[in-house]
Amino acid sequence: DQQVKQNSPSLSVQEGRISILNCDYTNSMFDYFLWYKKYPAEGPTFLISISSIKDKNEDGRFTVFLNKSAKHLSLHIVPSQPGDSAVYFCAASDNFNKFYFGSGTKLNVKP
Amino acid sequence: KAGVTQTPRYLIKTRGQQVTLSCSPISGHRSVSWYQQTPGQGLQFLFEYFSETQRNKGNFPGRFSGRQFSNSRSEMNVSTLELGDSALYLCASSLVGGTDYNEQFFGPGTRLTVL
Repeated sequence: DQQVKQNSPSLSVQEGRISILNCDYTNSMFDYFLWYKKYPAEGPTFLISISSIKDKNEDGRFTVFLNKSAKHLSLHIVPSQPGDSAVYFCAASDNFNKFYFGSGTKLNVKP
Repeated sequence: KAGVTQTPRYLIKTRGQQVTLSCSPISGHRSVSWYQQTPGQGLQFLFEYFSETQRNKGNFPGRFSGRQFSNSRSEMNVSTLELGDSALYLCASSLVGGTDYNEQFFGPGTRLTVL
């Protein structure tokens, strides 16, 4: 049973515009959420995280929004750059050492 | 600081065989987690080891097992391989874990193909 879902397998955005990647979860006990970025032939790398006590966390061009009532989080990338083209995974946890990942969204930023 | 290393990077096996994958965490990291990545399924948690003990386990059959050594290096073993075990197996390490959320650092993965 997939507790974390990314319903959009792919997203295409023009360079300079905003990219919005979405993620839904079912377990209300999740208290920590993360986004990872993955390039081909490499392992995922940590991008940004948010605790359930917050509804927004920002780091440069990346902002994560958390809507606990809707069990929804999103990652905004502004402005999008061609180097952002990668697969993005959201993950969630209710336990410091066990993480549930979504199936990933492949972002393509067109020059 | 060297990153997480995984060996081998690629592996081809046939059904019924067994396989052992190895993961060396970042120096000083004591928690090692294993994930299976398949198309459409994302990363699925296999298990997590800390101080040579399995601390967390995912929903995989008993054919999947692992262990951690005193130097924090970890191995995972898959016995009686099935075609559906073909996947990218990722290892991630973190500093401690258990008292706070620590960033996980992933290795490049081992691509296992079962024929």
